[in-house]
Amino acid sequence: QSALTQPASVSGSPGQSITISCTGTSSDVGGYTSVSWYQQQPGKAPKLMIYDVSLRPSRVSNRFSGSRSGNTASLTISGLQAEDEADYYCSSYSSSSTPYVFGTGTKVTVL
Amino acid sequence: EVQLVESGGGLVQPGGSLRLSCAASGFTFSNYAMSWVRQAPGKGLEWVSGISLSGGSTYYADSVKGRFTISRDTSRTLYLQMNSLRAEDTAIYYCARVYLAGGYYYYGMDVWGQGTTVTVSS
Repeated sequence: QSALTQPASVSGSPGQSITISCTGTSSDVGGYTSVSWYQQQPGKAPKLMIYDVSLRPSRVSNRFSGSRSGNTASLTISGLQAEDEADYYCSSYSSSSTPYVFGTGTKVTVL
Repeated sequence: EVQLVESGGGLVQPGGSLRLSCAASGFTFSNYAMSWVRQAPGKGLEWVSGISLSGGSTYYADSVKGRFTISRDTSRTLYLQMNSLRAEDTAIYYCARVYLAGGYYYYGMDVWGQGTTVTVSS
């Protein structure tokens, strides 16, 4: 099975906005609403940040937002803060033989 | 407090078997689909297996199909039976719950355990 494609790293200064892309196909990201985003701090379990493409759990800051265009989903972090420094993963349902896939992961660095 | 606690990890030789457990508390376990997700050292997340809230439907990644079996009991425990283990199965294994009661295993996962480490080596 193929993982969804994410940039290896993205960086920004405090207060800036950054966007992480997640590219798949019409068999996963582009074809279904079950696209999620996770934040993982070093040594910790992942934390759900976005589900169903653009919905945010109540405990997650509104600085995080999700969207999708075609086969590419995106996570935008606005007003970047030092605490946002972490690895981020997208995920999606897939109609392939492996029915759920994660992205390759993106390391976010706050300069 | 809603919580998941994994156990059963350890060192096993190639070709060996291991059974992981995930104890749930603080929520009605039978109302939620569950998954196992793993992370090899220094690598990204990999979904391994999912199970419906009733346990009647199970799903697997190609990489473990035919070797791993997911199951759940009527109390509060999720299992992952791992057979024919390979070096590439070495990872931290997390169990996770979907965010929505009654939802499918592929919904976003909002509760995760702390993970249990599996090392396959001779």
